[in-house]
Order: sequence, then structure tokens, then C-alpha cells
Amino acid sequence: DIQMTQSPSSLSVSVGDRVTITCRASQGISNSLAWYQQNPGKAPKLLLYAASKLETGVPSRFSGSGSGTDYSLTISSLQPEDFATYYCQQYFSIPQYTFGQGTKLEIK
Amino acid sequence: EVQLVESGGGLIQPGGSLRVSCAASGFTVSNYYMSWLRQAPGKGLEWVSVIYSGGSTYYADSVKGRFTISRDNSKNTLYLQMNSLRTEDTAVYYCARMKLELGYYFDYWGQGTLVTVSS
Repeated sequence: DIQMTQSPSSLSVSVGDRVTITCRASQGISNSLAWYQQNPGKAPKLLLYAASKLETGVPSRFSGSGSGTDYSLTISSLQPEDFATYYCQQYFSIPQYTFGQGTKLEIK
Repeated sequence: EVQLVESGGGLIQPGGSLRVSCAASGFTVSNYYMSWLRQAPGKGLEWVSVIYSGGSTYYADSVKGRFTISRDNSKNTLYLQMNSLRTEDTAVYYCARMKLELGYYFDYWGQGTLVTVSS
């Protein structure tokens, strides 16, 4: 199985900060990567797919980049509703879909 | 509007069986790949099983031989039959629709149903 390593596991940030979360795959995944946001007690919500494509309705302050084994999610200016946990997920190796361990954004 | 509503979770003893359901609206389940995923308390996300539009099914090694995914096209509903349950199966179970772009990712998720395996 492809292992996904996310960093950091948590981050203390302030409203207005620029935030970058990274995700490294144990082998190349050819941009078959999605990012999800999860608020406490809620289901995950799709933010980006194909590494950099923004899901309809997701604010443009979210962006994704990367290639090969290394990918990142950037929030350009953190808003109060963005404090949540973020997961990356590879869908290159099917059907064994795997997730990163999550990054929790906390208020500084 | 796409909606997925899970039901059927609850408290079950180790070794027991339970079936959870996912009622879909706004699209036809049989036209899509559909998955079950789970999240143990305080933990990350784990993919459990998928059923392809053509009917093929696949499972995570952790549940293979114990869980069965199926669908009822007439009810537009997805199911997960869980047998020989273990304490480590305790989790919120989510159903998710899958969409194709460089492979299949999860574009819509249900709200989840909690399965607790405990004596």
C-alpha cells in the first residue's frame, strides 16, 4: 500500500495567516491526490482533487500544488471557519485508497 | 441535490453482526462507484470497501472476509454487512460517492453512523 505522510500533525495559527500543509507519498502518485477538510463531529468535505483542482464552491483561498511524491495544500489567508483538520488522500493505487494522518489547525 | 444518509449503527457485542445502510438521493447509486470509510474515535480516516458501478467489490485487508458491501438499486441504497465484529471495528462509518478525475476520489460523504463494538 502507498503510505501518505502529512506534516505537521498540528499547527497553531492566527486569522489572516498563510498556511501550508504538506503530504508525501511513499511512491509517485501522478497527481492522484485529494484534500479534505473535517470539522469536529462532521463528515469530511472535499476541497481539491487531482492535486490542484478546486472543488465547486470551495473558496479560492485554498490551493494545491505538487507532483510525483510531494504535494501541498495552501490557505492564503486563514479565516475563522478554516480551523479544522485537513487530510490528504491518494487515489493512484486502487482500490487501496489511503489517507494522511491529518493536520489540525488550532487558534494561536 | 446529492444527499447520503447513513443509518443502522449502534452498540454490538464482539463477534456480533450489524448492517448499516446509506440512502442516496439526487443521483443513482448504481451509476457510480460507492465506498464505505470509517473513523475510529479520535483517529484518522480509513477506507473500508468499494463497489464499482459494474458490481465488482473490494475490501481493505482489515475487514476482508468479515464485511460485505452491496446495493439495492430499487431503493437507491448502499449497505455494509459487518460480521464477526471486533472492538477495533468501533468507528463512525461513512458512505461516500466517488468521482473520476485521474482516478476515483470521494466527492460526497454522508454524515456517518456510529458503530460501537463492546461487551
